[in-house]
Amino acid sequence: KNEVEQSPQNLTAQEGEFITINCSYSVGISALHWLQQHPGGGIVSLFMLSSGKKKHGRLIATINIQEKHSSLHITASHPRDSAVYICAVRGPSGNNNDMRFGAGTRLTVKP
Amino acid sequence: NAGVTQTPKFQVLKTGQSMTLQCAQDMNHEYMSWYRQDPGMGLRLIHYSVGAGITDQGEVPNGYNVSRSTTEDFPLRLLSAAPSQTSVYFCASSRDFSTDTQYFGPGTRLTVL
Repeated sequence: KNEVEQSPQNLTAQEGEFITINCSYSVGISALHWLQQHPGGGIVSLFMLSSGKKKHGRLIATINIQEKHSSLHITASHPRDSAVYICAVRGPSGNNNDMRFGAGTRLTVKP
Repeated sequence: NAGVTQTPKFQVLKTGQSMTLQCAQDMNHEYMSWYRQDPGMGLRLIHYSVGAGITDQGEVPNGYNVSRSTTEDFPLRLLSAAPSQTSVYFCASSRDFSTDTQYFGPGTRLTVL
């Protein structure tokens, strides 16, 4: 069993819909990251959080440390949000060589 | 700044061939790393470096070598390519070993026949 599990694996939505992507992890962490991988392959960091909630534009990330679960929400989804969203956890050391990545959720938003 | 650059973007090799994947960054970052991405799996760390002259193994180092002679460059060498090394390879860098944000290169798609 992977240490970081994401669901769903694939998600298709209509433009304007509210999107939720889930991430569960089984190890102790110092922080959790959400990354976006564009169709061309580039990976960018969206959020890093260790508690509570963060918001950036139409994206909201939450984390529940006790339940070892995080969600990424996209409000008013748009076709340009189509990408693979990757959850990654940073281990207790806090170091970059101590990260575990989920397999990703492929989101397609149709106009 | 160009950020993190990788060459080539695509490569096809035959089993047993060797090659070097290039990675460079112009942000004066101390930490650099190589990951591979396979279908259905998360990114896995191959090798990393915390500064020029210092490298260490990650989760899946077998079949790969690295060196870090300058702060800017961190090449990944495949000594004798195998079909199991067919993957997409990403180089990443960050200011230091524990900085939260890593910057990723565009990736190299490698196919070993």
